Amino acid sequence: ETGVTQTPRHLVMGMTNKKSLKCEQHLGHNAMYWYKQSAKKPLELMFVYNFKEQTENNSVPSRFSPECPNSSHLFLHLHTLQPEDSALYLCASSQELAGGTDTQYFGPGTRLTVL
Amino acid sequence: GQNIDQPTEMTATEGAIVQINCTYQTSGFNGLFWYQQHAGEAPTFLSYNVLDGLEEKGRFSSFLSRSKGYSYLLLKELQMKDSASYLCAVTDSNYQLIWGAGTKLIIKP
Repeated sequence: ETGVTQTPRHLVMGMTNKKSLKCEQHLGHNAMYWYKQSAKKPLELMFVYNFKEQTENNSVPSRFSPECPNSSHLFLHLHTLQPEDSALYLCASSQELAGGTDTQYFGPGTRLTVL
Repeated sequence: GQNIDQPTEMTATEGAIVQINCTYQTSGFNGLFWYQQHAGEAPTFLSYNVLDGLEEKGRFSSFLSRSKGYSYLLLKELQMKDSASYLCAVTDSNYQLIWGAGTKLIIKP
């Protein structure tokens, strides 16, 4: 248990569906991240939030829409996804956005399958 | 471009020692992380090296040579529970975290 929870753990959706992934951290951290993890590929950073403000969007398609209502919660809204978006989506948090030198704590991920 | 290289998969025997290598080519360097990820679970922090040398933490040790762009993770007295993927990640000069694809370690009895 890392102090970061994600729901749902598994999600199957059609290309026309709209769904949301939820992440909650209980560590009092100020920075939160969304990553995409595909088999045998490096983690892909999608979005970064620091004190609820988005600081990074790594050229992610608009069919992925993040939301950070407060420092403890992070959402990823999904709509009209493609089969190639099937992957494990990981949420992480760190104490500060300390330039990448701060340890990140990960949630268990949501395994997404797009049919 | 920026690149992190680590073997895709390694196999070792319970009770033995295994060394997982990581080489990197990045625009600058501000530290190197090792994470462990069991199948279906969250990656968890193992070690952080920013200076050259060996950092020991129980059965796990991590080594860094900045001049060679090289690190390794050394696992001693292997246990079945060490079967997992091991992720290497480097912080570059822009303080961006660059991730390797991970090494899947299989432990056999």
